[in-house]
Amino acid sequence: SSELTQDPAMSVALGQTVRITCQGDSLRNYYASWYRQKPGRAPVFVMYGENSRPSGIPDRFSGSSSGNTASLIITGALAEDEADYYCYSRDSSSDHYYVFGTGTKVTVL
Amino acid sequence: QVQLQESGPGLVKPSGTLSLTCSVSGGSIFSSNWWTWIRQPPGKGLEWIGEIYHSGTTNYNPSLKSRVTISVEKSRNQFSLELSSMSAADTAVYYCARRGTEYYYESSSYFFDYWGQGTLVTVSS
Repeated sequence: SSELTQDPAMSVALGQTVRITCQGDSLRNYYASWYRQKPGRAPVFVMYGENSRPSGIPDRFSGSSSGNTASLIITGALAEDEADYYCYSRDSSSDHYYVFGTGTKVTVL
Repeated sequence: QVQLQESGPGLVKPSGTLSLTCSVSGGSIFSSNWWTWIRQPPGKGLEWIGEIYHSGTTNYNPSLKSRVTISVEKSRNQFSLELSSMSAADTAVYYCARRGTEYYYESSSYFFDYWGQGTLVTVSS
C-alpha cells in the first residue's frame, strides 16, 4: 500500500499564506481531497480535484497538484484556520483501497 | 441537506465485536455514492476502514480486512460496521461518511462531502 506524507506541523502569521503539502505515489494518478479538523469536531471537506472548492468554502482556500505532490494553500490565513489538515486519495497499488495523509497541524500566530 | 448519524455502544470488551450503524437522512443510500467508515484514535490521524455501495459491493482496508464487515440496510437507509476481536488499539472515534467521485480526463478525485459527528468507542473490560 502507498502512503500520503504530510509535514506534522506548520505555522503561519495571521493574514499570511501557508502551503500544506501531501506527497505520495498515488497522487501521480489521482487528485487528493482535503479536510480541516478542529479539536473534538468531525473533519470538514475543503478541497478536491485540481482546485475545486465545495460550496461554502471561502476562496482563500485553493489547491494545486504536480507530480506526486498535492498542495492546499490558504491565502490570508485567519485565526479560525488553525486546525489539523488531512489529505486523502486512492491507493495506486490496489484498485479499491484508500488512504489518508498523516496530517498537518497548522498554527496561526 | 444530507445528514449522517452514528449509533452504537460506546464501550466494548476486549475480544468483543463492535457494531455501529449509520443512519442517512436527507438523501438516499441508493445514490451514486459510496458509504464509508473512518476512525481516529485519540490524538492520532484518520484511518479509512472501508466502504460499501448500495449494491452491497464492499472495499476494506487491508490491515483490517480480516475483522471488518460493512453491510447496508436499504429499507432503513442505513449502513453498518462490525469489527471483531476488538483490542485497546481499536479505541477511537468512529465516523461514517459519504464518498463521492469526480472524474477528469486521465484522473479522478475522491472525497467525503458529508460526515457524521462521530462516536467514541472505548475498548475496556
